[in-house]
Amino acid sequence: DTEVTQTPKHLVMGMTNKKSLKCEQHMGHRAMYWYKQKAKKPPELMFVYSYEKLSINESVPSRFSPECPNSSLLNLHLHALQPEDSALYLCASSQVRGAPSYEQYFGPGTRLTVT
Amino acid sequence: QKEVEQDPGPLSVPEGAIVSLNCTYSNSAFQYFMWYRQYSRKGPELLMYTYSSGNKEDGRFTAQVDKSSKYISLFIRDSQPSDSATYLCAMSQIKGGGNKLTFGTGTQLKVEL
Repeated sequence: DTEVTQTPKHLVMGMTNKKSLKCEQHMGHRAMYWYKQKAKKPPELMFVYSYEKLSINESVPSRFSPECPNSSLLNLHLHALQPEDSALYLCASSQVRGAPSYEQYFGPGTRLTVT
Repeated sequence: QKEVEQDPGPLSVPEGAIVSLNCTYSNSAFQYFMWYRQYSRKGPELLMYTYSSGNKEDGRFTAQVDKSSKYISLFIRDSQPSDSATYLCAMSQIKGGGNKLTFGTGTQLKVEL
């Protein structure tokens, strides 16, 4: 199974709401990633978790809060977002070490609209 | 200067044409070079990867890397309408405990009947 699943597919939230995005993989990967992708732009790395520990935070505002409760799950908690945070949020997973670690498998994404 | 440069297109070709997609990069720390395909409203899908200079072939796709020139290419032979998508080059470097991918801007390809 090479599938990464993400829920919800679509999310509309107000600037005062709190919501969460969820990502799940069952490939035994121990590295998981959050990316943000604006329309007609490439994905931009936000966070990397390695062995359930946060290893990379690309200077993301604190209104985005990642969580990795176990090796299969990755959450992104959202609070007090701005309209410019509207984007496609992609989750990915990979091996941690060795040659396949570059091979990241992406989920279909959650399309977020902040009103 | 961006670390990875890619012509955004759009690129329109007739069915059966050979397509050439290219990226240049400036960061010598990049170790692996990949091409992803992204259909509209979907996540990126890994097409090909390589880590050394030279060519790598997989069916109708050939990936080419020239580390001395910091230049990578993807060739698609006998292009099909189903190849219509955005093609993203990506380059990997070890950072912290993970693998950081830096993507090009993507080239939008349309293969017409």
